[in-house]
Amino acid sequence: GQNIDQPTEMTATEGAIVQINCTYQTSGFNGLFWYQQHAGEAPTFLSYNVLDGLEEKGRFSSFLSRSKGYSYLLLKELQMKDSASYLCAVRDHNTDKLIFGTGTRLQVFP
Amino acid sequence: EPEVTQTPSHQVTQMGQEVILRCVPISNHLYFYWYRQILGQKVEFLVSFYNNEISEKSEIFDDQFSVERPDGSNFTLKIRSTKLEDSAMYFCASSTGTSGTYYEQYFGPGTRLTVT
Repeated sequence: GQNIDQPTEMTATEGAIVQINCTYQTSGFNGLFWYQQHAGEAPTFLSYNVLDGLEEKGRFSSFLSRSKGYSYLLLKELQMKDSASYLCAVRDHNTDKLIFGTGTRLQVFP
Repeated sequence: EPEVTQTPSHQVTQMGQEVILRCVPISNHLYFYWYRQILGQKVEFLVSFYNNEISEKSEIFDDQFSVERPDGSNFTLKIRSTKLEDSAMYFCASSTGTSGTYYEQYFGPGTRLTVT
């Protein structure tokens, strides 16, 4: 079966660091994506991991451990505009479809 | 920056009616997708399309659904006889990549479908 788990909600303070975890159990794996989604808008791409390790992209970093079926998204120097849902998605091995988790709603407070 | 566009942004229809949701993928992209997101729920894959045929479809994508690329730019999703449970945000996405290659799927802004 396909199962992707993320916390439902998180809160953090402006300027802080937050880590959003994602665990997955999928029948195939060909990369893990993180998307940001503001309410009522389309998901926008943040990061991609296919090999183990950390990928850094400005204030955002993403980590993958394939053996543990685990990823996290790290957001540094949080800003109010980072308040959004963060979606973890696994790309299927045999096809190109993305399998999404339920998303983590992050609220950043002043 | 090139982007995926979708029309209409919001469609209201009565149960049993047919609707067509339209998408214009990014011009050099070859792979096209439809996803849907019921309010408050996760994004769900519906169908992928490549080389003028369906590559894969989910169990949601039953006989009431169809996709078409009627010309070189548009990609449409048709629901023949809408049901209340079809109410959702429908996202079109496109990409250049093939399996095994890094790529990202670019999402359009979505069409909110409300079935009454």
